[in-house]
Amino acid sequence: EVQLVESGGNLAQPGRSLRLSCAASGITFDDYAMHWVRQAPGKGLEWVSGITWDSGDIGYADSVKGRFTISRDNAKNSLYLQMDSLRAEDTALYYCAKGRWFFDLWGRGTLVTVSS
Amino acid sequence: QSALTQPPSASGSPGQSVTISCTGTSSDVGGYYYVSWYQQHPGKAPKLMIYEINKRPSWVPDRFSGSKSGNTASLTVSSLQAEDEADYYCSSYAGSNLDWVFGGGTKLTVL
Repeated sequence: EVQLVESGGNLAQPGRSLRLSCAASGITFDDYAMHWVRQAPGKGLEWVSGITWDSGDIGYADSVKGRFTISRDNAKNSLYLQMDSLRAEDTALYYCAKGRWFFDLWGRGTLVTVSS
Repeated sequence: QSALTQPPSASGSPGQSVTISCTGTSSDVGGYYYVSWYQQHPGKAPKLMIYEINKRPSWVPDRFSGSKSGNTASLTVSSLQAEDEADYYCSSYAGSNLDWVFGGGTKLTVL
C-alpha cells in the first residue's frame, strides 16, 4: 500500500526537543523530494521544511530556521525532523508530504504539543 | 515567506460554479509555474486537486480547474456537489532552497 506514516509527536515543554519520523511504503522513496507541513489547531497549512531526494537541497520556513533540522535515510525509506528549542507556537499537527513541485501524497500527521 | 491571500469563505448552491482566488507576488505565484491546490475535509489530510496551475491528478474530476493571471491563481469548481464542501488551500513555489508558501485557506460551503 502506498502510504506515509508519521510518528514521534508528543507533549514537550518549551525549550525541549522532539524528533519526528515519517516512514514511506509502496513508493520508490529515493526518487522524490519530501516535505514537512504543519497545521496549528483550527488554522491553515504552513510549509515547514523540504529536502530533495539526495539531500542536496534543503529549505526551511523562516519560523523554524536555526531550530529545526530535516534529514532523510533513503536506505530506511524514512524522513525525519529534529525539532529543537521548541516554542508554544510550534504546537501543530505535522504532516509529511511527497513531491518536488507539488505534494501528491500526504500522511495522516503526528501531533506536537508544546506546553509547560 | 508571506502567506498567499485567499478569501476566508466561498459558497454556492449545488450545480453552480464557484471560483476561489489566491493572490501572491512576483516572487511566488507570479514567478513560477508551480501553483497547486489542496482540498481538506475536517479531520483528514490534505489532498492534491490541481498542480502546475491547471493540471488535474487522475483522481480529481474535471469539475475542478485551475488558472493563473499575473500574481493571482484561481480554482474553479463547477457543478458543485455536497462532497465539495471542504477547506481549500493554494500553494506556490517561492524560490531557491525549496521555499514554499501556502494560502490561508478558503472554507467552501455548498448551500
